Amino acid sequence: DIQLTQSPSSLSASVGDRVTITCQASQDITNYLNWYQQKAGKAPKLLIYDASKLDTGVPSRFSGSGSGTHFTFTISSLQPEDIATYYCQQYDIQFTFGPGTKVEIK
Amino acid sequence: EVQLVETGGGLIQPGGSLRLSCAASGFTVRSDYMSWVRQAPGKGLEWVSVIYDDGATYYADSVRGRFTISRDNSKNTVYLQMTSVRAEDTAVYYCARLLNGDWGQGTLVIVSS
Repeated sequence: DIQLTQSPSSLSASVGDRVTITCQASQDITNYLNWYQQKAGKAPKLLIYDASKLDTGVPSRFSGSGSGTHFTFTISSLQPEDIATYYCQQYDIQFTFGPGTKVEIK
Repeated sequence: EVQLVETGGGLIQPGGSLRLSCAASGFTVRSDYMSWVRQAPGKGLEWVSVIYDDGATYYADSVRGRFTISRDNSKNTVYLQMTSVRAEDTAVYYCARLLNGDWGQGTLVIVSS
């Protein structure tokens, strides 16, 4: 099974800050990685697919990069509405989610 | 418009059985990869099972041998049959197309005596 680790597990940043989350896969998953945003009480929302492609309608302040085993998710300028938990998810072999990163406003 | 609607959740005793349904619209389930994902209270997302377009099925280690995923193409519906349930199966269960980012609203399953 492919395992995903995320860091940090939580972070607190100010509005306008650049926020970066990393996701590490236990084996090469090429670019078969999604990033999801989940707000309290809601279903997850897809932000990034194929590691770096922005899903339709997602603000351009969100971006993703990486390939192989190391991936990065960035919010270029944190907004109050970005408060949520963010998950990476691989789809190379079946599916796996990372443990999540909770983003809060300082 | 794609829509996924889960039903069938509720309170069930340990060791019991329950079947969840996911009614799909806007696409055909037989042509897609349909997954169940769960989220225990206050916890992260856990992939549970998938049924591929060719009918192949896969399960997380935590549910293999107890849960069964299936689909009814005539009803465009995917199911998750849960048996021998345990307290740790308590969660919101989502139906999802994980390659497309489409999710249902979820259905809550509580395993308790």
